[in-house]
Amino acid sequence: NAGVTQTPKFQVLKTGQSMTLQCAQDMNHEYMSWYRQDPGMGLRLIHYSVGAGITDQGEVPNGYNVSRSTTEDFPLRLLSAAPSQTSVYFCASSYLGRDTQYFGPGTRLLVL
Amino acid sequence: ELKVEQNPLFLSMQEGKNYTIYCNYSTTSDRLYWYRQDPGKSLESLFVLLSNGAVKQEGRLMASLDTKARLSTLHITAAVHDLSATYFCAATGYNNNDMRFGAGTRLTVKP
Repeated sequence: NAGVTQTPKFQVLKTGQSMTLQCAQDMNHEYMSWYRQDPGMGLRLIHYSVGAGITDQGEVPNGYNVSRSTTEDFPLRLLSAAPSQTSVYFCASSYLGRDTQYFGPGTRLLVL
Repeated sequence: ELKVEQNPLFLSMQEGKNYTIYCNYSTTSDRLYWYRQDPGKSLESLFVLLSNGAVKQEGRLMASLDTKARLSTLHITAAVHDLSATYFCAATGYNNNDMRFGAGTRLTVKP
């Protein structure tokens, strides 16, 4: 099992550009989530999904979109990047939302 | 809204000493999680505490949960350098799908 994979590992964007952060898991987990990690603030939940076709907002959803067309994939879209979105992004998955989550390696995003 | 607070945020310890990290949460939550993060790495699950009075131990780390006080502790016994990392606690919100993390405790163990 590859576990949770994320691409790219590092990305530089200019303000206003769009991009998609990819996340995939091969553990047949129903629950997937996206977090951002900023210094001194822990991890903050952006969006989550409890199964294919079902998504919901977390603590800091503004500026981000998600969709879940398959159990395996949960991409995160930045429609118009802003410097405030400079962060490390982690994708995670678990059988259910209340179970221990398995985290991907993270994507470092720099918005200039 | 569920809020999770950890203290201390920074902790420098001598090898061989004991110390405790505290995690308070603001509203009812029936599960409490502890994760470890090494610098530049992802998060690794340490413990899941499922009920009041739960205690779990792994090596030099022991976690406990008091749901009445809304408090979890992570106790470090006879610290060693390999324990240097950032430790996060987390709790799930009202629908068990909305996980909230504390700000993390950066632990440095010095020889």
